Amino acid sequence: EAQVTQNPRYLITVTGKKLTVTCSQNMNHEYMSWYRQDPGLGLRQIYYSMNVEVTDKGDVPEGYKVSRKEKRNFPLILESPSPNQTSLYFCASSFIRESGELFFGEGSRLTVL
Amino acid sequence: QQPVQSPQAVILREGEDAVINCSSSKALYSVHWYRQKHGEAPVFLMILLKGGEQKGHEKISASFNEKKQQSSLYLTASQLSYSGTYFCGSHNTDKLIFGTGTRLQVFP
Repeated sequence: EAQVTQNPRYLITVTGKKLTVTCSQNMNHEYMSWYRQDPGLGLRQIYYSMNVEVTDKGDVPEGYKVSRKEKRNFPLILESPSPNQTSLYFCASSFIRESGELFFGEGSRLTVL
Repeated sequence: QQPVQSPQAVILREGEDAVINCSSSKALYSVHWYRQKHGEAPVFLMILLKGGEQKGHEKISASFNEKKQQSSLYLTASQLSYSGTYFCGSHNTDKLIFGTGTRLQVFP
């Protein structure tokens, strides 16, 4: 089954404790992206990647890191989480073409105390 | 620049129609439309690439104006299953930027 898998789905952590949210897709998509969703603000892009070893900042990259060592994986790293990073996070992937629809993971709800 | 969606919220009875607008001050390369049901991930509805394009998907259709600065999503004879938040997204170079969303609620 074609899918984007995120883990963990739910996480409560404390300020400053490094964490990684994993994202994996099985559709051989070149493009992968991370979004955060907050009430009233919609989906805001954190980082994206056009292919292996190619990453770039989205609109809200501060406090986050990513890596793309393999085509299928695109982990999101919070080196020192803060309460303002409490949010719902979505990973998404697509082919790079004009009609490339984004496939989203199920989301990871993160709470930073 | 984030596209602007209007209205922010719509309440409908089953069978009624709705229009959701997505606009930008600059020409959009393309427009994506997604629907997100409560507690779920967004799901792709359709993409429009060309100015003047119109596209349909069952009773949901969309248009992209000639200047490529506005797109509208049309929901006709709404069903309970149409409830959710609708997002438009547009490409800005390599980024896909989403609007703030329109919450649609359909009641029996």
